[in-house]
Amino acid sequence: DTAVSQTPKYLVTQMGNDKSIKCEQNLGHDTMYWYKQDSKKFLKIMFSYNNKELIINETVPNRFSPKSPDKAHLNLHINSLELGDSAVYFCASSRSGGSGNEQFFGPGTRLTVL
Amino acid sequence: GDPVTQMEGPVTLSEEAFLTINCTYTATGYPSLFWYVQYPGEGLQLLLKATKADDKGSNKGFEATYRKETTSFHLEKGSVQVSDSAVYFCALHSGGYQKVTFGTGTKLQVIP
Repeated sequence: DTAVSQTPKYLVTQMGNDKSIKCEQNLGHDTMYWYKQDSKKFLKIMFSYNNKELIINETVPNRFSPKSPDKAHLNLHINSLELGDSAVYFCASSRSGGSGNEQFFGPGTRLTVL
Repeated sequence: GDPVTQMEGPVTLSEEAFLTINCTYTATGYPSLFWYVQYPGEGLQLLLKATKADDKGSNKGFEATYRKETTSFHLEKGSVQVSDSAVYFCALHSGGYQKVTFGTGTKLQVIP
């Protein structure tokens, strides 16, 4: 009965490789997000989708490409991985509308680029 | 300036001490304010929230009051426990499709 799940939990790979992280939520939410958290715990939003439409696209290298096949899924594909991509990536979801809706976070995917 | 500013950590307290983590915000209108907590190795989870001025959010002994006159949402707890050791994030959402803005996080360590 996990609310927001991500796979894999850990990802270790070489520079230059391409990798994907998957996210699924079973809360019936219509909005999903990808965040990047660096080693100092700074949390930065990367993308947000509402009903499969991209609504937030922060300044992120175009090596990062999100894809939302349906409202319950939001995947993140990263091309040509670089050392600086090492971080913990969090998926989150929420209901849209109003400003008081909480975000539900997944457990995170720790990406290490060697 | 940054929409959300919170005190830098780490904050180290003895068990049963009083906790305050300051948070101030910059925003027009009437945003909703949140405190999220991140325990080691986990994702963030909502601790408490307030959606309008003078509202007090509370949960697990933590409290924060939405003060529009001082644009603040300080987190307090009267007696912290070792299990409260975590990173605490203040956050703001102005509504609609605007992004939620998170503060930089404050690491709290409670020692026995």
